[in-house]
Amino acid sequence: DAGVIQSPRHEVTEMGQEVTLRCKPISGHNSLFWYRQTMMRGLELLIYFNNNVPIDDSGMPEDRFSAKMPNASFSTLKIQPSEPRDSAVYFCASSLIQGTGTQYFGPGTRLTVL
Amino acid sequence: GENVEQHPSTLSVQEGDSAVIKCTYSDSASNYFPWYKQELGKRPQLIIDIRSNVGEKKDQRIAVTLNKTAKHFSLHITETQPEDSAVYFCAATDTGGFKTIFGAGTRLFVKA
Repeated sequence: DAGVIQSPRHEVTEMGQEVTLRCKPISGHNSLFWYRQTMMRGLELLIYFNNNVPIDDSGMPEDRFSAKMPNASFSTLKIQPSEPRDSAVYFCASSLIQGTGTQYFGPGTRLTVL
Repeated sequence: GENVEQHPSTLSVQEGDSAVIKCTYSDSASNYFPWYKQELGKRPQLIIDIRSNVGEKKDQRIAVTLNKTAKHFSLHITETQPEDSAVYFCAATDTGGFKTIFGAGTRLFVKA
């Protein structure tokens, strides 16, 4: 059984470029979460979806960040334009709310903005 | 807003000793408390969890205790091994089961 899938695993881009991170949750899960992890701030929740609907995006740092979930098996996190301070590891996680609510994390995308 | 405080930030123990990590939460409506282990360069992975209707749970060398009145919960690792070295995160989940607030993490070093 495949876990949460994220792509790309590594992304290096230049300041000002658009970055799109992708996530495929575990099949059957109905909640999806995007996190950012840095040494300074730890693990921060950016946004989460329930049944493809954004529930809370209060963690999204700026208007440069946007996230979509067009269907139950796919979500994107977009940064436009990117800045060096966006460099971090971005994790996607999914869970089944009617179950334990345990979140299962993807392998993460390491983003470096030069 | 909701907050989870985790202590200590760094913990160093000798192999075979016990390690204890403590967390407190602010939202009294929280009812699910997972613990995650993150090895270097890898994803956080669930190692144990506890619900608010239970005071203690054990899985081999790992145990978690919960004091809802004091809003404290703790992770206990006994007979530590070098492979236990990692960052451990506690978390608290709201009653809706949607939003999980993570602690800042504890970096555990187990010296052989």
